[in-house]
Amino acid sequence: NAGVTQTPKFQVLKTGQSMTLQCAQDMNHEYMSWYRQDPGMGLRLIHYSVGAGITDQGEVPNGYNVSRSTTEDFPLRLLSAAPSQTSVYFCASSYLDSLSGNTIYFGEGSWLTVV
Amino acid sequence: LAKTTQPISMDSYEGQEVNITCSHNNIATNDYITWYQQFPSQGPRFIIQGYKTKVTNEVASLFIPADRKSSTLSLPRVSLSDTAVYYCLVGDMGTGGGNKLTFGTGTQLKVEL
Repeated sequence: NAGVTQTPKFQVLKTGQSMTLQCAQDMNHEYMSWYRQDPGMGLRLIHYSVGAGITDQGEVPNGYNVSRSTTEDFPLRLLSAAPSQTSVYFCASSYLDSLSGNTIYFGEGSWLTVV
Repeated sequence: LAKTTQPISMDSYEGQEVNITCSHNNIATNDYITWYQQFPSQGPRFIIQGYKTKVTNEVASLFIPADRKSSTLSLPRVSLSDTAVYYCLVGDMGTGGGNKLTFGTGTQLKVEL
């Protein structure tokens, strides 16, 4: 089982460049989200989606765009990379279970450095 | 989303039971309490989730008092491999709100021989 797959795992960008972090899940989960984690900090929510075609902003959305054209994929786009966006990015997916609530599965992370 | 407060760090020895307490004074009626574990260079991993009283699974127990303003994660007989950061999160998991969680800085648990 692949679970939540993120690519690339490592990326170095120059300031001003754009790129897309890919995220795919094979669990047919409704909900997907993107977080960033800076050194020594907890995760902060960037954007999230409650289903195909529906996205919303999280705590730190500036400089990022998302789309959810399919249930499986939830790419994160950096429009014009800045050094402040150097971080580890985690994609997550989850589903709602009537008994156990909402369990979230995280990808392995994408390390992004902006120089 | 309810804010949580937990100790920054804890130290323990192999074989001991570790209890990490989390405060969430403004927890809402629909909120669940969830704990995640994170190893360096990895994404957080679900440990346990509960709404009230006690929940137990193969790796941990979660104790929630009647007022739900706090919760305690209990790890029985820890080993070196339990050294990690543990996050306590509170959110309305029941409506997909669990997908937009607020993470604090977590508790760094260090287990020694």
